[in-house]
Amino acid sequence: AQKVTQAQTEISVVEKEDVTLDCVYETRDTTYYLFWYKQPPSGELVFLIRRNSFDEQNEISGRYSWNFQKSTSSFNFTITASQVVDSAVYFCALWYTPLVFGKGTRLSVIA
Amino acid sequence: DTAVSQTPKYLVTQMGNDKSIKCEQNLGHDTMYWYKQDSKKFLKIMFSYNNKELIINETVPNRFSPKSPDKAHLNLHINSLELGDSAVYFCASSQDHRASGNTIYFGEGSWLTVV
Repeated sequence: AQKVTQAQTEISVVEKEDVTLDCVYETRDTTYYLFWYKQPPSGELVFLIRRNSFDEQNEISGRYSWNFQKSTSSFNFTITASQVVDSAVYFCALWYTPLVFGKGTRLSVIA
Repeated sequence: DTAVSQTPKYLVTQMGNDKSIKCEQNLGHDTMYWYKQDSKKFLKIMFSYNNKELIINETVPNRFSPKSPDKAHLNLHINSLELGDSAVYFCASSQDHRASGNTIYFGEGSWLTVV
């Protein structure tokens, strides 16, 4: 069965610290797609990244980076030099007609 | 320009009432969705339409009825509202669902509170 596990329910860091959000997935498909979304306190769901299973290169976008490892079925998300505006709930998701979401990790960045 | 817009954003209503949430997307996508987010933030698919045709109908009570007048609109009508229907409802869209892995873009959510 398709499943996404975000074991960290809540994380609290001090501004400028680096933080990694973990995501472990289960799928029997050989081709699959993984996503991260951000839900800030205002409530909307913001798309961050999409990664297919054939592309194992790590991705960096500004202070955000993603580490995809098929060997451990993980797709972790790191925020470098965190800022208060990064405070949000972050969801990892797996495409399975359509998206199956993890339960989310609430990140609080304290000034 | 809001890509996926839904109205109203906030809705407080009494048990037993009937209410609708409207959704429109201007991305030219073929597929639209309704997701429900419960009080614990868990997101779950409710319905999906592709070019006005229902393709996903999860185990949702019959009181929930989606309607898609055209591929840019997917409205959600809820009859006989119950306390347990209180949640955030997200409309979303993507290109053709048959292409696995298309990015799904979400609206801002509609906060429904049933009292």
